[in-house]
Amino acid sequence: DVKVTQSSRYLVKRTGEKVFLECVQDMDHENMFWYRQDPGLGLRLIYFSYDVKMKEKGDIPEGYSVSREKKERFSLILESASTNQTSMYLCASTQGGDYGYTFGSGTRLTVV
Amino acid sequence: GQNIDQPTEMTATEGAIVQINCTYQTSGFNGLFWYQQHAGEAPTFLSYNVLDGLEEKGRFSSFLSRSKGYSYLLLKELQMKDSASYLCAPDQTGANNLFFGTGTRLTVIP
Repeated sequence: DVKVTQSSRYLVKRTGEKVFLECVQDMDHENMFWYRQDPGLGLRLIYFSYDVKMKEKGDIPEGYSVSREKKERFSLILESASTNQTSMYLCASTQGGDYGYTFGSGTRLTVV
Repeated sequence: GQNIDQPTEMTATEGAIVQINCTYQTSGFNGLFWYQQHAGEAPTFLSYNVLDGLEEKGRFSSFLSRSKGYSYLLLKELQMKDSASYLCAPDQTGANNLFFGTGTRLTVIP
């Protein structure tokens, strides 16, 4: 089974902190994604990457950056955390086509 | 761009059948995904429809009409564990990412 592992299940950070959310997949997928999920808003795409060192902005990239130095790892960075970034963050990967996305278990981030 | 419409909430009785509808508008279309998401957990893949018609997988079936921009997920013999959100996601031609609807929260009651 494809595994997508997110490093933390729960995180609490202070406003202004730099926050790193890590995601690792073990099936050599080229495409990786970061979403956030908020009640009533569904899943919203922050950034995605289709190759090492490549990144593309999603629908809500403001306040975030990403890093993909190795194929298996896709990191989401909150440069200066703010309370409106309190959310559930989901990482996903896919090899494309009809295989769909495999999601990590999510990181619930609270910024205080 | 994409536009996806699903009911926000549905309630059904254990043992019954429920149909969750999804209409979508997208520029270019490959197929449509359905995902299940239990509260506090990650979405998991249920089905992917490319061709028109009904595809059955055990208690769950998914239907697609490409010309109408319409899909539904049919859940039979409902169980309490089917209480979850169900997300519809059209796969857009040429896009590198999926756009998910806000999902339908299904509550199964005894």
